[in-house]
Parts: sequence; structure tokens; C-alpha cells
Amino acid sequence: GQQVMQIPQYQHVQEGEDFTTYCNSSTTLSNIQWYKQRPGGHPVFLIQLVKSGEVKKQKRLTFQFGEAKKNSSLHITATQTTDVGTYFCAGISPDSWGKLQFGAGTQVVVTP
Amino acid sequence: NAGVTQTPKFRVLKTGQSMTLLCAQDMNHEYMYWYRQDPGMGLRLIHYSVGEGTTAKGEVPDGYNVSRLKKQNFLLGLESAAPSQTSVYFCASSSRAYEQYFGPGTRLTVT
Repeated sequence: GQQVMQIPQYQHVQEGEDFTTYCNSSTTLSNIQWYKQRPGGHPVFLIQLVKSGEVKKQKRLTFQFGEAKKNSSLHITATQTTDVGTYFCAGISPDSWGKLQFGAGTQVVVTP
Repeated sequence: NAGVTQTPKFRVLKTGQSMTLLCAQDMNHEYMYWYRQDPGMGLRLIHYSVGEGTTAKGEVPDGYNVSRLKKQNFLLGLESAAPSQTSVYFCASSSRAYEQYFGPGTRLTVT
């Protein structure tokens, strides 16, 4: 079955630095979504990518969908303490009836 | 507009006891989902529903049952709780294959 893998599992970042988290699927996806979960909170939708090679930006966050629609990345520039949390990617395969396959997440810790 | 709500927020069960988790959404969404979240394993889909009166199995359905008698409610039942079911349970809803809205979660401990 479809598997979605995220790396790294943990990311320690100095405030002001940039970092990237990666998401890879074993199968081609129809689209991919990204969620953020603050400590003790629930996942909150960030963005959805649909097109091959698509790039979307939200302020300091840049999301990219691979040309083959099997991988994605989230790049955060000038990390702030508000970026603390776990970032999940979740893929939808063409035959999955809208079901999301979540990656294990990247837990981000920011050092002031 | 409350979004997605879950009841209860916390629960401690003894092995073999049963309980029902309630999820309610006021966004008129067709799709509803139950996930469990365990450390290092992300969110795993237990059961889901694509409309009132319909349910289907997800990735980890064993030991759980669900019902969707009303469009706005999705119930998750544990008939005989086991320690392996200690987890945080999230309900979510969506309009087809769009963004999912999550509830605040239920933290369940089975001793």
C-alpha cells in the first residue's frame, strides 16, 4: 500500500536559520497536504498542492510538489519561535476516496 | 461556528471496559474521519465515512467500531478496551478531498 515518509524526524533549529523538511511517497499522489500541530494541540491545515512542480509560498514558508508527484518539501526561512511544532505531510492517491496517508511528521524545536 | 468538537477530552479506562467517543461538526461536511496518534507514528486512520449512514475501514480498524447515523455526528466505539488502545484520538471532517478540519482530540489511557 501507499506509504508516506518524512525526514528528518526531528529538527533543532537556531532562531533565524532556515530549514527544510522532506516528504516522499511510494506511489504517485493526486495531491499532497501539509499540516502543523503545535505541542498539545491538533493538526491544522497549512496548504494543498495539486499540480506537478507546483510551488506555493505562505510568508516564510515555501511548499513544493515534485515533478513526478511523489515527493514534496517544506522550507522555512528565518525560523521563529512561533514555528515550533510538528509538521506533517499527507498524501492522497488517485484511488483513495479522499483518504489522507500521513507521514510520521517532523518535530521542530527552535532555540532562541 | 464551533467547527469540530470531541467528547470527552480525557478518559481513563480499565482493560475490558467499553466506551464511545463522540465527534460533532457544524460545517455540513460529507466526509468524517477517526485517527489515532501515537508518538513517532503520525496519524493513522481508524475508520472513515463518506456520508450519512456509510462507514469504511481505515488503516487500523481492529478493536473499533463506528456509526454515522446523522451527518453531523461520527461515533467511535471501543467494545473491550486494551492497553494497546492508549492513544490520542482525533476526529476530522472535510468536503471530499479537501482540507481536513480536526477536533481538539481525546486522550485515552487504558490500564
